[in-house]
Parts: sequence; structure tokens; C-alpha cells
Amino acid sequence: TQLLEQSPQFLSIQEGENLTVYCNSSSVFSSLQWYRQEPGEGPVLLVTVVTGGEVKKLKRLTFQFGDARKDSSLHITAAQPGDTGLYLCASPRGYSSASKIIFGSGTRLSIRP
Amino acid sequence: GAVVSQHPSRVICKSGTSVKIECRSLDFQATTMFWYRQFPKQSLMLMATSNEGSKATYEQGVEKDKFLINHASLTLSTLTVTSAHPEDSSFYICSASRPGGMNTEAFFGQGTRLTVV
Repeated sequence: TQLLEQSPQFLSIQEGENLTVYCNSSSVFSSLQWYRQEPGEGPVLLVTVVTGGEVKKLKRLTFQFGDARKDSSLHITAAQPGDTGLYLCASPRGYSSASKIIFGSGTRLSIRP
Repeated sequence: GAVVSQHPSRVICKSGTSVKIECRSLDFQATTMFWYRQFPKQSLMLMATSNEGSKATYEQGVEKDKFLINHASLTLSTLTVTSAHPEDSSFYICSASRPGGMNTEAFFGQGTRLTVV
């Protein structure tokens, strides 16, 4: 079973600071997704990266896929309290709607005002 | 609006009873849906794959007789927690993916918080 390890597990920083969350595996990903989950709700997809070395930006969030497609990072610039939540990387096991999605261990982010 | 809807959002039941959770895809047909379980402060663990018109596929370690899955239509999958015990208390989440090749996107229900007392 492919494991997706995320680091750090928990992160509490002050509003305005920058942070990076990492997702690593010993296996190669066909693609990798990042989700954000708020308490009491289901995860919401932020981005999908497919190509090694790919960089995608979503406002203050920058997602990078490693060249070897074994790792990914999420960088948040000037964090805001609204960024608080559980960030999950995930690996779909294919491109069809029948493909399982396996989630990483998660990073719980708390932004202090 | 929600693409995948789960019901109920919260349920409290007595130990030994059974609880049914529904997952509906609202604007697309889903031949496959997935059920996850999430303990407090942890990530989502895949429990099973729900297949329309056939038996569900369970992940290793998940008791199929304990967690009954029925996918009787292209828009509805149900998870029944049978003979619930306090250790079954958890947050259960379903998902369905809208086909789209490399742009296939999974949508998640809002989750069901089950408390067994």
C-alpha cells in the first residue's frame, strides 16, 4: 500500500507568515491532489498536479509537484485566519471515476490573528 | 451548490442498533462511490468502494458484515452500520467522481457524525 506522509502534522503560525506543507511517498504518483477540509465538512479539492515539476498557483497558494512525481508541496504566502483547516494531499489511483483516492496523513493548520 | 449530498449530517444511536447513512450524487450518475471514515484529528481512511449493481469492495481490515453497502441506483449509495458500538463513533464521508479523464474530480459529501451511546 502506497503511503502518503505529510509534514508537519500540525502547524500554528501568526497571520501574515508564510508556510510550506510537504507530501512525500516512496512511490511515483500518476497525479496528486490537494484538498482542504474544515471541521464537520467533507474535503474540497484545491488542485490536481499531473506533470513532474509542475507548479500551480491559486491566489496565495502555490502547489508544486516534484520532478520525479514522488513528492509535492503546498506553500501559503501571507497566511490568513481563513486558511485554517486540515490540508490533505491525495493520490488518485487512475483517471476514471472508479479510481480510488488515497489520502495522506494530513496537516492541521491554525492561523492566529 | 452541493454536488454530493449526505444524510443525515449527525446521528446519535444506542449501542446495538443499526444506522443507515445515505449518499446521493445530485447532478451526475455515479457508478462508483466511496466511503471513508475519519477519526478526530486524523485523515480520511478509505473503507470501501460502492459499485452500482454489484457488491461493494472493502479495504483490508474493514468488516463487510458490519458496514453494509448498497448501491441500488446510479445516484444513491447507502452505508449501514450494523449493531453499532461506541467504537464505531466516527465521521463518515462519501464521495463520487464526475468523469472527466485527467480532469476527473471527486466530490465529497458533507459527512455524517455518528455517535453511539
